Amino acid sequence: GAVVSQHPSRVICKSGTSVKIECRSLDFQATTMFWYRQFPKQSLMLMATSNEGSKATYEQGVEKDKFLINHASLTLSTLTVTSAHPEDSSFYICSARPSGEGNTGELFFGEGSRLTVL
Amino acid sequence: LAKTTQPISMDSYEGQEVNITCSHNNIATNDYITWYQQFPSQGPRFIIQGYKTKVTNEVASLFIPADRKSSTLSLPRVSLSDTAVYYCLVGENTGFQKLVFGTGTRLLVSP
Repeated sequence: GAVVSQHPSRVICKSGTSVKIECRSLDFQATTMFWYRQFPKQSLMLMATSNEGSKATYEQGVEKDKFLINHASLTLSTLTVTSAHPEDSSFYICSARPSGEGNTGELFFGEGSRLTVL
Repeated sequence: LAKTTQPISMDSYEGQEVNITCSHNNIATNDYITWYQQFPSQGPRFIIQGYKTKVTNEVASLFIPADRKSSTLSLPRVSLSDTAVYYCLVGENTGFQKLVFGTGTRLLVSP
């Protein structure tokens, strides 16, 4: 099946710094990717929809200036957590569906990136 | 987006069949029903998808009644490795259609 890869899988940073997480679709193109956040023992919460070549669409309550999303190509979306604070510590997961004829409806998820802010 | 309701948790034993039901009373005509499995510290993994009646693959079956207001994921003969959280999602299959996760069902399989 299609593969979505995230990097890094784990990152620890100091409070106030910025962290970038990459999401790549390895064997398909995706005009749209989705970013989720998951706290321990909780469900995935949709943060934003990343659109190739245009601005991301953020869910209500998600600060767009804090969580910068860039979808510069059909295989790469990045999430940058700016001025990270301990409450931003979470498991961030991206997902995507193949565009066009390759789309079977299945949403493919990355392995997730665990961010710890000290 | 249709909201889904699932039991928070379920317990089972190895070798048993497990049925997890999901309610989605506001499902729209173009919506599909998809189930995902998630292990700790991993991204969700696709299990099965259906629109109506019954769908079966190598790992599970999905039963959808005529009114499509609910669905049941059936896992035959579960093993310890099936301990995970199972999510029922409802939405269109288009590439740009976002999917919103509900609470999920935490399945614990014991020896």
